[in-house]
Amino acid sequence: GENVEQHPSTLSVQEGDSAVIKCTYSDSASNYFPWYKQELGKGPQLIIDIRSNVGEKKDQRIAVTLNKTAKHFSLHITETQPEDSAVYFCAASKGSGNTPLVFGKGTRLSVIA
Amino acid sequence: GAGVSQSPSNKVTEKGKDVELRCDPISGHTALYWYRQSLGQGLEFLIYFQGNSAPDKSGLPSDRFSAERTGGSVSTLTIQRTQQEDSAVYLCASRLRPVNTEAFFGQGTRLTVV
Repeated sequence: GENVEQHPSTLSVQEGDSAVIKCTYSDSASNYFPWYKQELGKGPQLIIDIRSNVGEKKDQRIAVTLNKTAKHFSLHITETQPEDSAVYFCAASKGSGNTPLVFGKGTRLSVIA
Repeated sequence: GAGVSQSPSNKVTEKGKDVELRCDPISGHTALYWYRQSLGQGLEFLIYFQGNSAPDKSGLPSDRFSAERTGGSVSTLTIQRTQQEDSAVYLCASRLRPVNTEAFFGQGTRLTVV
């Protein structure tokens, strides 16, 4: 089955700096790659996703890149703010119907004011 | 409702007792997932329901765990003879379709086995 590795497990950045979180996946059939943000005491919430037919997607300060050949994708947060502090999860799933979303183990991001 | 609803939000139970956790997905969502999140850990897949298909139970950690989804809507996760290692947050998520769509998560049920 699919296996998703995520690095780093923790990340501290100064406010205003950029943060990058990286994930690799094992199943070349995976074609949907979402990123979730989880704040303390809440369920994860989607912040951005990318499908395998594109290499990059951007939404304001957040961008995701995908390298299908290398089977890795990354989340980039620019101009970080204290409210970006949270746990971030990457995930992967296939286009066929009966496969679950497989998540990485998460990255705890701390933005220091 | 507007989102995925889980109940109870917190559950404390004695070791050896059975517990039932409930998930109300977003209306019309065909896919429903249960995940377990231990303290400071990632999201461990437990079970997946899609429409009328047989559920994918490949993530259930033992035969003490079971789940059902009635009428394609509400789901119940049952843990029998709870153990201390079952203590975790149990998260439910639903998707409109099983592919390439956003998964919406509930707030989770925090289970503590004492």
